[in-house]
Amino acid sequence: DAGVTQSPTHLIKTRGQQVTLRCSPKSGHDTVSWYQQALGQGPQFIFQYYEEEERQRGNFPDRFSGHQFPNYSSELNVNALLLGDSALYLCASSLAGTGNTEAFFGQGTRLTVV
Amino acid sequence: AQSVTQLGSHVSVSEGALVLLRCNYSSSVPPYLFWYVQYPNQGLQLLLKYTSAATLVKGINGFEAEFKKSETSFHLTKPSAHMSDAAEYFCAVSDFGDKYIFGTGTRLKVLA
Repeated sequence: DAGVTQSPTHLIKTRGQQVTLRCSPKSGHDTVSWYQQALGQGPQFIFQYYEEEERQRGNFPDRFSGHQFPNYSSELNVNALLLGDSALYLCASSLAGTGNTEAFFGQGTRLTVV
Repeated sequence: AQSVTQLGSHVSVSEGALVLLRCNYSSSVPPYLFWYVQYPNQGLQLLLKYTSAATLVKGINGFEAEFKKSETSFHLTKPSAHMSDAAEYFCAVSDFGDKYIFGTGTRLKVLA
């Protein structure tokens, strides 16, 4: 079982550009959540996808969008990048149900905006 | 709204000493609580979780946490620190929709 895999591991973009991050969930999981972890901070919830639809969304602007595919993998897109978008982006997968379902996290994608 | 407060952004202990990392939560519903560990340049690994089955929860690597409703706390402990425990630790609370609310983290340093 490969667990949650994210790609790429590192990325450097210029302000104003667009970026796409990818996530493959743990085998058997159907729910994917994305988190942004700024340096020295805890992860902040961006949004969650289930059955190819956005189920919940955190306090992030519309520049952040996502998608879930029929195989449960997911993408996070960020448009019009700002310097403040530099962070570690974590993908977490889980099985839909009650809140005690353990979420498994990937290694993250380190995005640097210059 | 749910929230988590981790007291102490940095904690230093000697090798072999007790580890105590503090976490207080706020929740309007019975919470599900978690502790995660993050090593440098890595993702988050679950240490343990509270799901209302038992107030004292045992996790991996010798860690445990006790849920105290009266104190709204879920502190993480380990009787004897190892050098390999040096990492950042995050407490999190989850609502029924699986969204996690994380604390700001506590960086644990273990002194030889």
